[in-house]
Amino acid sequence: QVQLQESGPRLVRPSETLSLTCTVSGGSMSGFYWSWIRQSAAKGLEWIGRIHLIEGTVYSASLESRVTISADTSKNQFSLRLTSVTAADTAVYYCARDRGSKGPEDYWGQGILVTVSS
Amino acid sequence: EVVLTQSPATLSLSPGDRATLSCRASQSVRTYLAWYQQKPGQAPRLLIYDASNREPGIPARFSGSGSGTDFTLTISSLEPEDFAVYFCHQRYIWPRNFGQGTKLEIK
Repeated sequence: QVQLQESGPRLVRPSETLSLTCTVSGGSMSGFYWSWIRQSAAKGLEWIGRIHLIEGTVYSASLESRVTISADTSKNQFSLRLTSVTAADTAVYYCARDRGSKGPEDYWGQGILVTVSS
Repeated sequence: EVVLTQSPATLSLSPGDRATLSCRASQSVRTYLAWYQQKPGQAPRLLIYDASNREPGIPARFSGSGSGTDFTLTISSLEPEDFAVYFCHQRYIWPRNFGQGTKLEIK
């Protein structure tokens, strides 16, 4: 059974960088896409981007200038960096496994609430 | 960007009732439409993918239909644990996105 777990700071100051890590257990990262999705009351569920170990990354156009997703296969982890955050970036951040051409996001982490505030 | 519009926003029904939830896309997403269930404090749970394929482990009372721009999630006979928020999600056109959700509440 694949499991995902988000970790990172839960409070980030405005204009700083949000950094989260997702640890994957119970399976290999190879052959799948690995996504970040966030949820807020204002915007609902918002797809941020995804990474594939061979194909690379794809980002939402609205966040592309501020987002970086990377992977560390030695630790079975992938990460999210979001720069220049504002209060509008306050949300529950989820990591998820994406089946690509075979289907949508199927396994999700439990989510981590990140608040942007001074 | 594709806009997914779910209706109704809230659906009030009783256990044993049949629930019909709708998702309409602003342009065709073929059959690349999924349905998720979300309960408070939990991540979304995949129920249906590619419009009508039930994810392993999902009860048979959940079914999906549709193609192009109009999709339906049907719950044939509501169980108490089915009262939650349901989201549709398309993966055909970038960026992937979600509908705003339908809250299924106990009447």
